[in-house]
Amino acid sequence: DAGITQSPRHKVTETGTPVTLRCHQTENHRYMYWYRQDPGHGLRLIHYSYGVKDTDKGEVSDGYSVSRSKTEDFLLTLESATSSQTSVYFCAITGVYQDTQYFGPGTRLTVL
Amino acid sequence: GNSVTQMEGPVTLSEEAFLTINCTYTATGYPSLFWYVQYPGEGLQLLLKATKADDKGSNKGFEATYRKETTSFHLEKGSVQVSDSAVYFCALSGAFQGAQKLVFGQGTRLTINP
Repeated sequence: DAGITQSPRHKVTETGTPVTLRCHQTENHRYMYWYRQDPGHGLRLIHYSYGVKDTDKGEVSDGYSVSRSKTEDFLLTLESATSSQTSVYFCAITGVYQDTQYFGPGTRLTVL
Repeated sequence: GNSVTQMEGPVTLSEEAFLTINCTYTATGYPSLFWYVQYPGEGLQLLLKATKADDKGSNKGFEATYRKETTSFHLEKGSVQVSDSAVYFCALSGAFQGAQKLVFGQGTRLTINP
């Protein structure tokens, strides 16, 4: 199994509060991704990173920001959580010249 | 833009039945195609993939063939087991700045009854 961990695994928060989710990898892979999983939508890309301090938006980036200050960590921040951001969030990684993404175990976020 | 359409679920079968989950795609260029599986409470894991037309991906008794003429990548298994109960996702990848941006179908929940 690829060395990917996500923290926290579960979180309940209130509307309007900031939330940060962490993805940590031990594979030294260059590319990292954040997805959200919602019923009927599969997984949708929020943001991705192609190197330290290099990030770009995905399909559903509104309301989310990311940061990557070192290779192994990719942070997803909800500046002011809303109920529509209740979801399961997955981090994924892949290496250079690879086409297979490896997924973390997910974080279930509930915004009340 | 790129998109993936999967067979609506949920799908319920008896053990040893034949399985087909349909997947069609729309894409520019020549994407790679994937099937990922998600077991309860876990993240996604790659089941199989195909990188060019007419390629067949296979793993754990599952197969899928990359059909460019019908833009399809249907998942099949000849005899399913209870342990195959999971959610299955079809996906395609489009490379951008070297990153593989996956586009997923909506997922198909499969339940196998003993």
